[in-house]
Amino acid sequence: SQQGEEDPQALSIQEGENATMNCSYKTSINNLQWYRQNSGRGLVHLILIRSNEREKHSGRLRVTLDTSKKSSSLLITASRAADTASYFCATDGKGAQKLVFGQGTRLTINP
Amino acid sequence: DAGVIQSPRHEVTEMGQEVTLRCKPISGHNSLFWYRQTMMRGLELLIYFNNNVPIDDSGMPEDRFSAKMPNASFSTLKIQPSEPRDSAVYFCASRPDSAWNSPLHFGNGTRLTVT
Repeated sequence: SQQGEEDPQALSIQEGENATMNCSYKTSINNLQWYRQNSGRGLVHLILIRSNEREKHSGRLRVTLDTSKKSSSLLITASRAADTASYFCATDGKGAQKLVFGQGTRLTINP
Repeated sequence: DAGVIQSPRHEVTEMGQEVTLRCKPISGHNSLFWYRQTMMRGLELLIYFNNNVPIDDSGMPEDRFSAKMPNASFSTLKIQPSEPRDSAVYFCASRPDSAWNSPLHFGNGTRLTVT
């Protein structure tokens, strides 16, 4: 089964609003990564947060990690139509080199 | 930097035919991954290589699937014989090394349709 599970499966908001997506995972990790996928394209890496970090920022992105709850959240502030995409979290099990992806959240930003 | 290059972008074939998907990783990257994406199962890791050596192929669905990496700049994923349930988008990804904090760089995928 997948290591990471995103919630919600789909999210539709108005441009300018903030979008929050959540990810839960099952085993201990070294890091957690978030990726974006535009329709018909490959995934693009957004941000990585290490297991000893609790929060990380990159532009309009904010990621939090709670290892005690085995969960992470991705916040996109001041959303734009161009943010419309699917967002995936990915985790590595400690000692593992491979990344396992969740099912993703489909985000739609309405103009 | 040309990125990860996959070919073909689209492949339509009949059940029973052999299908070969190709991937050129980013130059200098020594880890390569093959993923399959479907609506039902999401992104599944099929196999990954470090320094051209297969490390974990536990995600390969069955013996009909095989993957090779004859050199650092080329990998293939072969399905023989293909079946309709193999229809999916197949992604190749590479990263500079096997370090756990190294992000993946994805190609744009091959959309496979088996009729």
